[in-house]
Amino acid sequence: DAKTTQPTSMDCAEGRAANLPCNHSTISGNEYVYWYRQIHSQGPQYIIHGLKNNETNEMASLIITEDRKSSTLILPHATLRDTAVYYCIAIPGSARQLTFGSGTQLTVLP
Amino acid sequence: ETGVTQTPRHLVMGMTNKKSLKCEQHLGHNAMYWYKQSAKKPLELMFVYNFKEQTENNSVPSRFSPECPNSSHLFLHLHTLQPEDSALYLCASAEGSHNQPQHFGDGTRLSIL
Repeated sequence: DAKTTQPTSMDCAEGRAANLPCNHSTISGNEYVYWYRQIHSQGPQYIIHGLKNNETNEMASLIITEDRKSSTLILPHATLRDTAVYYCIAIPGSARQLTFGSGTQLTVLP
Repeated sequence: ETGVTQTPRHLVMGMTNKKSLKCEQHLGHNAMYWYKQSAKKPLELMFVYNFKEQTENNSVPSRFSPECPNSSHLFLHLHTLQPEDSALYLCASAEGSHNQPQHFGDGTRLSIL
């Protein structure tokens, strides 16, 4: 699996967009970018994933650069309940094991 | 509500006890997983089941015994555990085909006295 690098922590004002970056410069062609988050005392929650194209769902948008070496997760209108650790991982589509790094602690401020 | 329910949420047991963790998924998925999450350690995959058949056992000690009676239910039977087994045990499920995300339950927080 490609190594990913994320900032340790970020703050965002409630109601504003939260943009979480992830670097995956060694990603290979068959690896997808997945985003999960984990709120304290809960299990990891799947957010979104993509291969090359930008993706959007009801939770977030995923912007992947053309060279696929980095991506940004966008929460369009952050709420206090979005405070969590956000994990970006790059894994082959057939992968069974998920391995999370340290992630980004996002704190949404009132 | 993730569609994956784990019980109990918290469990305290002695090293000589026998207990079981339960996972149930309501998503119609065919693959189910057990993970262990310890403080300051990466998520560790323990077991994988596909269509009720165990397809992966990541060198897990025999004091952990999984059971998958059908595609919706997964158990982890525990006996003679050690203090270092204290952790959050997470169950996940996925469609089982290529490139499908795993959906997690909220875990069982296990403490071994």
